[in-house]
Amino acid sequence: RKEVEQDPGPFNVPEGATVAFNCTYSNSASQSFFWYRQDCRKEPKLLMSVYSSGNEDGRFTAQLNRASQYISLLIRDSKLSDSATYLCVVNSPNDYKLSFGAGTTVTVRA
Amino acid sequence: DAGVIQSPRHEVTEMGQEVTLRCKPISGHNSLFWYRQTMMRGLELLIYFNNNVPIDDSGMPEDRFSAKMPNASFSTLKIQPSEPRDSAVYFCASRPLDYTDTQYFGPGTRLTVL
Repeated sequence: RKEVEQDPGPFNVPEGATVAFNCTYSNSASQSFFWYRQDCRKEPKLLMSVYSSGNEDGRFTAQLNRASQYISLLIRDSKLSDSATYLCVVNSPNDYKLSFGAGTTVTVRA
Repeated sequence: DAGVIQSPRHEVTEMGQEVTLRCKPISGHNSLFWYRQTMMRGLELLIYFNNNVPIDDSGMPEDRFSAKMPNASFSTLKIQPSEPRDSAVYFCASRPLDYTDTQYFGPGTRLTVL
């Protein structure tokens, strides 16, 4: 079983729509969770950390459900510039490693 | 501030040739990671350095791959001899001293082995 699993999508949505997707992780002892964004042919960049109580950053909302071991990302009022692959990232407890999901592709159309 | 710097950005080589990828981490970061990304396997951690010392190289696919970090501002990943299946994007990432899990990626080296 993969450490982090994501629906690859693609999610094709019109501008202004809301899009949400999840990822699941296998290690219940994981403590740190992130969403990274990767544009085509570019490097992954940190979008936001995910905190236990849930957190927002502008149009982006991240939620963590420890009981079910999943993380969600919701994008409101989507923009063309939100088109990217979103990587779910989870740390391995007690060491340095980050486990990356394969990514969820979002395409926002005009 | 300069981010993680990688060179070359693109490399095309023939099977059997030696390839050397270079990385300069963000100044002050004490951890450095080499990753490989392919469509089939996604992002894979190859090796991790902490304070210039290799901590875990279990992700290095085979003996053809080697990595060094002679000082805090420079690291290399070498493939000798290269094979077509090594074609991928190789990313270097660094992490700051505060031991947060956040890693900052370089722009990557796109390697094609013919």
